[in-house]
Amino acid sequence: GIQVEQSPPDLILQEGANSTLRCNFSDSVNNLQWFHQNPWGQLINLFYIPSGTKQNGRLSATTVATERYSLLYISSSQTTDSGVYFCAVANSGNEKLTFGTGTRLTIIP
Amino acid sequence: SQTIHQWPATLVQPVGSPLSLECTVEGTSNPNLYWYRQAAGRGLQLLFYSVGIGQISSEVPQNLSASRPQDRQFILSSKKLLLSDSGFYLCALMEVRTQYFGPGTRLLVL
Repeated sequence: GIQVEQSPPDLILQEGANSTLRCNFSDSVNNLQWFHQNPWGQLINLFYIPSGTKQNGRLSATTVATERYSLLYISSSQTTDSGVYFCAVANSGNEKLTFGTGTRLTIIP
Repeated sequence: SQTIHQWPATLVQPVGSPLSLECTVEGTSNPNLYWYRQAAGRGLQLLFYSVGIGQISSEVPQNLSASRPQDRQFILSSKKLLLSDSGFYLCALMEVRTQYFGPGTRLLVL
């Protein structure tokens, strides 16, 4: 099956800093999503982005499908951005996502 | 918009006891439904996937089973829990190619 690698595994930043999270995948995809899991476990969908660029407030994402990677940018980090960020992909029509192991982001006040 | 309910929120069960976790959804019809397990705070493992009533695809061999008795109800069960069944169980649906998750059930098997 498709492999998904995320980097870095852990990231600790001061409040106000910017960050870039990376997701590499081993095969072509027709579905790619970014999620944020807060410290209480709730998973929130951030972006559906199989290709191109999207922005939502301080967050933006870019997927370069031909080179098999996606980037999540977080600007002006806030403590509420802390948690684990997951990238998930699918490359078939049955809509079963394969998740990466995540990046744990800690924002220090 | 869709809403996913899961209960219970937390559960402590002895080894060998049965299990039943329920997931119900609102605000959508005929959704694809999923059960995931997350262990050690990182990494989601897809357990079961359903495209409709009575249609279950098992992704990982284990002592768990799933059923979908109604369009918006998805149940995860076990006849005898193992220690290794401990974890965070998440129900999810896919709508317009976007996955949405319920609040999860934390299961501790002792």
